Amino acid sequence: QKEVEQNSGPLSVPEGAIASLNCTYSDRGSQSFFWYRQYSGKSPELIMSIYSNGDKEDGRFTAQLNKASQYVSLLIRDSQPSDSATYLCAVDSGSARQLTFGSGTQLTVLP
Amino acid sequence: DADVTQTPRNRITKTGKRIMLECSQTKGHDRMYWYRQDPGLGLRLIYYSFDVKDINKGEISDGYSVSRQAQAKFSLSLESAIPNQTALYFCATSDHRTSGGRGEQFFGPGTRLTVL
Repeated sequence: QKEVEQNSGPLSVPEGAIASLNCTYSDRGSQSFFWYRQYSGKSPELIMSIYSNGDKEDGRFTAQLNKASQYVSLLIRDSQPSDSATYLCAVDSGSARQLTFGSGTQLTVLP
Repeated sequence: DADVTQTPRNRITKTGKRIMLECSQTKGHDRMYWYRQDPGLGLRLIYYSFDVKDINKGEISDGYSVSRQAQAKFSLSLESAIPNQTALYFCATSDHRTSGGRGEQFFGPGTRLTVL
């Protein structure tokens, strides 16, 4: 059973701080990694994708991937109350046939 | 207009009833997926389809069936609904042809199903 584990929440950070979300995965053959944001009662929204080791930055978001350690993370700089949501880590099956999702980390940014 | 639509958005039904959830997309994507989401359990894959003639079971297909009527339409049926099928159901799509199989999936708004 391929597994994706996320750090248990909930996670609270003050406005303006850096929020750090972590994810580990079990399938060494995985090639594609995604972060989704899900507001309560809404559908998951893709915010970051990463395929190579290292960092990928997009605005206030930075995704980090370390395939040797089977670890992917998401950093949110200058956190805003509007960033309060559940963040889902998703990892492909290696054959790009399906994604396995973590159970999510709930983030609250306090004004 | 939304790229991925789901109908109905909310449904309350009784144990033993047959119900169908529908998903349509205008994104032109070839792949479509059905997930269910339960509190604390994340998203779990029910069925997925790579084209009209390629349908595959996911992690939790028991009690469900699907139909891919066209590239743009993918329906999920519960033949005899039971209370533990109460959940939030999402349809998703991905484009294997232009994304090179990278696997990004895009979700519909969801259907909240309650089985009494």
